[in-house]
Amino acid sequence: DQQVKQNSPSLSVQEGRISILNCDYTNSMFDYFLWYKKYPAEGPTFLISISSIKDKNEDGRFTVFLNKSAKHLSLHIVPSQPGDSAVYFCAAGSGGYNKLIFGAGTRLAVHP
Amino acid sequence: DAGITQSPRHKVTETGTPVTLRCHQTENHRYMYWYRQDPGHGLRLIHYSYGVKDTDKGEVSDGYSVSRSKTEDFLLTLESATSSQTSVYFCAISNDAVNTEAFFGQGTRLTVV
Repeated sequence: DQQVKQNSPSLSVQEGRISILNCDYTNSMFDYFLWYKKYPAEGPTFLISISSIKDKNEDGRFTVFLNKSAKHLSLHIVPSQPGDSAVYFCAAGSGGYNKLIFGAGTRLAVHP
Repeated sequence: DAGITQSPRHKVTETGTPVTLRCHQTENHRYMYWYRQDPGHGLRLIHYSYGVKDTDKGEVSDGYSVSRSKTEDFLLTLESATSSQTSVYFCAISNDAVNTEAFFGQGTRLTVV
């Protein structure tokens, strides 16, 4: 039973447009959410996070929105660039000790 | 970049043989983790450590053991490798127990034949 779900395995976006990656979760005890970016043959890299007491966090071109009532979060990338092409993982903090529960990932392709 | 080194980076081993993967950090972070990444599953936690000699199981710990004798080193051992343990293994570290990002190593690709 996946507690963190990324239902879109892939997303293709034109350069300069907005990329929206979605994530749903089932465990209402999650209180911290993160997005990681992963290039091939590299480890995941932390991108942005949000606490459950907030509904939005912004860092440059990246914004994460949290809708607790819907148990849904999304990552917006504006404007999208070819270098953003990677696999994006949504993760949620659970149970102390900073253990993270990850979604299956969404592969983003940004084309010129 | 966080100072995390995983070794080896690639390994091919035979079914039934023991395998040990090493994670070495230079950040003096208290918390260390081993994850595996498989298609369709994202990253799943195998074991984690919250201090020297303090470890606990994650969600997919069967067939794996860990040890942490020093702050900087976290070892993952497959006692008797099986084909289902073919995967990419990532070590991660964090400096706090809650609500903070974890930093990942570059991964070890393990193939069990």
